Amino acid sequence: DAGVTQSPTHLIKTRGQQVTLRCSPKSGHDTVSWYQQALGQGPQFIFQYYEEEERQRGNFPDRFSGHQFPNYSSELNVNALLLGDSALYLCASSLVRGRTSGGYEQYFGPGTRLTVT
Amino acid sequence: AQSVAQPEDQVNVAEGNPLTVKCTYSVSGNPYLFWYVQYPNRGLQFLLKYITGDNLVKGSYGFEAEFNKSQTSFHLKKPSALVSDSALYFCAVRDPTDTGRRALTFGSGTRLQVQP
Repeated sequence: DAGVTQSPTHLIKTRGQQVTLRCSPKSGHDTVSWYQQALGQGPQFIFQYYEEEERQRGNFPDRFSGHQFPNYSSELNVNALLLGDSALYLCASSLVRGRTSGGYEQYFGPGTRLTVT
Repeated sequence: AQSVAQPEDQVNVAEGNPLTVKCTYSVSGNPYLFWYVQYPNRGLQFLLKYITGDNLVKGSYGFEAEFNKSQTSFHLKKPSALVSDSALYFCAVRDPTDTGRRALTFGSGTRLQVQP
C-alpha cells in the first residue's frame, strides 16, 4: 500500500520564478492538504483540497495556488518566489468522505525541499 | 483561534528512562489532539490521537499521551526511552466546533535526544 508520495524531492529556484510541486495521496484517501514547514518551525497550513475544490485556506497570499485532479492527486503552485518561500513543503492526505467529525488523522509525505536563491 | 504550545525546545533523557514531551493547547471547544514525529529529512509520522473517551491514549512504538482538560494539556509519554526515539515531535490540534476548519494547527516542535 503506497503512502503519500511527493515530487520532486529537492528544488532550487531563483527569486521571481514559479514552481509546481506534486503530491499523490495514500491509496483510498480523497483529501489533500498542503503545509509549509520553515526551518526550525512547525508546519503551517496552506490549503486543503477535496472533490477538486479548495475547501479551506490558511494565511498565505494568493501567490500560492493549487489544484486537485480527479484521481485525487494534487499540485501546489507558487508564483513570484521570494527568499522567504524557502521551506519544506509537506503534503498530507486523509479520507474525509462520509465522516461527520474532524477526528481523522492526516498522513504526510516526505516533503519537497524548496530553496529560493 | 486555536493554538498549541510546546514549551520545551529540547528534551534530553537517558536510554531506559521514562520520557515526557509537553504540549498545551487552546481551542474554543473540546479538541481533537494529535502527536506526530519527524525524523531527519522525512515527513511527519502519525503517533496517536485523542478524540473522546479515555484520557490515556496509546499509540505507535510504545508511546502514549494523557489528555487533561482542566490543564488543557496533552503530554506525550513513554515508559522507557530508546536511542531510536531521538527525533522531532509535534503536537497538533483541530477544533471540532469550527466546522469550516479542517486544518491541523501545529506546535513549534520539541527535539527529543535520548542518550545511550
